[in-house]
Amino acid sequence: AQSVSQHNHHVILSEAASLELGCNYSYGGTVNLFWYVQYPGQHLQLLLKYFSGDPLVKGIKGFEAEFIKSKFSFNLRKPSVQWSDTAEYFCAVGGYNKLIFGAGTRLAVHP
Amino acid sequence: DSGVTQTPKHLITATGQRVTLRCSPRSGDLSVYWYQQSLDQGLQFLIQYYNGEERAKGNILERFSAQQFPDLHSELNLSSLELGDSALYFCASSEGGANTGELFFGEGSRLTVL
Repeated sequence: AQSVSQHNHHVILSEAASLELGCNYSYGGTVNLFWYVQYPGQHLQLLLKYFSGDPLVKGIKGFEAEFIKSKFSFNLRKPSVQWSDTAEYFCAVGGYNKLIFGAGTRLAVHP
Repeated sequence: DSGVTQTPKHLITATGQRVTLRCSPRSGDLSVYWYQQSLDQGLQFLIQYYNGEERAKGNILERFSAQQFPDLHSELNLSSLELGDSALYFCASSEGGANTGELFFGEGSRLTVL
């Protein structure tokens, strides 16, 4: 069965700090991987996605993620966070007709 | 604005009651997905429809049912409500299946069961 595990439930950072959010998945076939973000009071929106090709994927707002097949991981990174990055971040794996989400990581960035 | 519309935004009801949540997908999207988001369970996939047909089922309770109509809007029916059904219910849509593209989410319907 598909599953997604996010290692950190809550992360608190100061502005300009670097960010890395862990995500591991299990799935028995070819996967498509996603990171979604949910800003306070808003709907989920796509940050970035990986289908194939270059395992380093760049998304919006300076985020990137690296797919490491041998580790079943798809970690999200950002070199320097801003206060406006305060949000909840969800890793997701797409299989046949399903998008399965991890439990989410709440990120709080302090000025 | 994602283009996905959900109504109502907020709903308060009592245990044992039945409610219907409505979703209008983005123009042109044939797939509709329903998710339940609660504090203890995270974002749980409930069910997916594609062009009127059920395509995938997740952790959807037997008390819950859904359908997608010919105009592609979808409804999620929740019956015999329990306190634990209090959650944010999201609808999402996509052009094809979940594995091939991005899902566009509505703003959710917040259900409170008292």
